[in-house]
Amino acid sequence: EAGVTQFPSHSVIEKGQTVTLRCDPISGHDNLYWYRRVMGKEIKFLLHFVKESKQDESGMPNNRFLAERTGGTYSTLKVQPAELEDSGVYFCASSQGQGNPYEQYFGPGTRLTVT
Amino acid sequence: GEDVEQSLFLSVREGDSSVINCTYTDSSSTYLYWYKQEPGAGLQLLTYIFSNMDMKQDQRLTVLLNKKDKHLSLRIADTQTGDSAIYFCAESGDDMRFGAGTRLTVKP
Repeated sequence: EAGVTQFPSHSVIEKGQTVTLRCDPISGHDNLYWYRRVMGKEIKFLLHFVKESKQDESGMPNNRFLAERTGGTYSTLKVQPAELEDSGVYFCASSQGQGNPYEQYFGPGTRLTVT
Repeated sequence: GEDVEQSLFLSVREGDSSVINCTYTDSSSTYLYWYKQEPGAGLQLLTYIFSNMDMKQDQRLTVLLNKKDKHLSLRIADTQTGDSAIYFCAESGDDMRFGAGTRLTVKP
């Protein structure tokens, strides 16, 4: 069974440009999560989809970030315009259920560098 | 804000035991987790412990939970070079909250 995949694995863009990250969850997983790890610090929650609906987007840093999950399958996270502080590793995770324990399966992450 | 805290680095010799410590913040967290991240890979769930337990053992892994002190530890017995990775502890309340990760280096 394929795991969570993310694309691209690396992205280097200039400040002010736009970048779109993609996450393909494990097939059949209704729950999809985005996280970010900035500069070797803690991994922080960004948002949570249940199917195509945003269950919780309390971790989204500002309105330059837009996440979508049309059709309840893959998800995209767009950063527009990108700022230097957006650099980091963006992880996606998916799970079948959403109650504890959170058995979330993580993708390898997208490393975003904004110069 | 409140943080889940871990030491950033740990170095051990192959065959020794490794102990990675973590302090968490939310006393209402029902589950606490340990994840492992190997280079170029995503986070892999190693183990989790329910908050009403104080110990869980799974092969070479032992998780200890001190709920009074909000302290969680992961002990890896007979540490191998393949255990070299970053280990994240996490707590779950409404959502997951992670520590910054402990980079474990195992020297032959």
